[in-house]
Amino acid sequence: QVQLVESGGGLVKPGGSLRLSCAASGFTFSDYYMSWIRQAPGKGLEWVSYISSSGSTIYYADSVKGRFTISRDNAKNSLYLQMNSLRAEDTAVYYCARGASYSSSIPFDYWGQGTLVTVSS
Amino acid sequence: SYVLTQPPSVSVAPGQTARITCGGNNIGSKSVHWYQQKPGQAPVLVVYDDSDRPSGIPERFSGSNSGNTATLTISRVEAGDEADYYCQVWDSSSDHYVFGTGTKVTVL
Repeated sequence: QVQLVESGGGLVKPGGSLRLSCAASGFTFSDYYMSWIRQAPGKGLEWVSYISSSGSTIYYADSVKGRFTISRDNAKNSLYLQMNSLRAEDTAVYYCARGASYSSSIPFDYWGQGTLVTVSS
Repeated sequence: SYVLTQPPSVSVAPGQTARITCGGNNIGSKSVHWYQQKPGQAPVLVVYDDSDRPSGIPERFSGSNSGNTATLTISRVEAGDEADYYCQVWDSSSDHYVFGTGTKVTVL
């Protein structure tokens, strides 16, 4: 069955860096678009970044552009999010999610359980 | 940037019908997806492309989209439907995914 398992979250000081990972299994990872989505405590969902199946197309939310970098290693079935210059407002649970292949508008059909990132001094 | 507006809360009695709206400028021209999120859990896709259901999602969940409003309808509401619901679209003008503000459904 499809599984997405995030890791790498934790407590980091403002201005610091963190790298999140998402290990995928149960499907052909290299065939699917992937995204990171976050949710601040008690708040709604916010899309963070998208990467195409080959990694050739990448998009970022305005709130993280220039600070975050999404990447993938199809040989390792893994998705990454490098987060630099972290701010308090980046505190959230970060989910990796798979883009469904059965729709051209690519909804997110599978999500990981999330990893918590806390930015605080 | 494109904005999706949802009512903060909807209350419904068991067995009745819940309707959750998602407002956006000419949203009828976009494909709308809906997610259910229960406390402490990851979101689950319940409707995609306005009105299609992924396998395993009950027929009680349906959707529609026209003009400036998309709607998720939950028929014969059950206690287990109590959750937060989010609409979502792809905004091609900005190359951004956009989520709605979210609606908490309470089963009375």
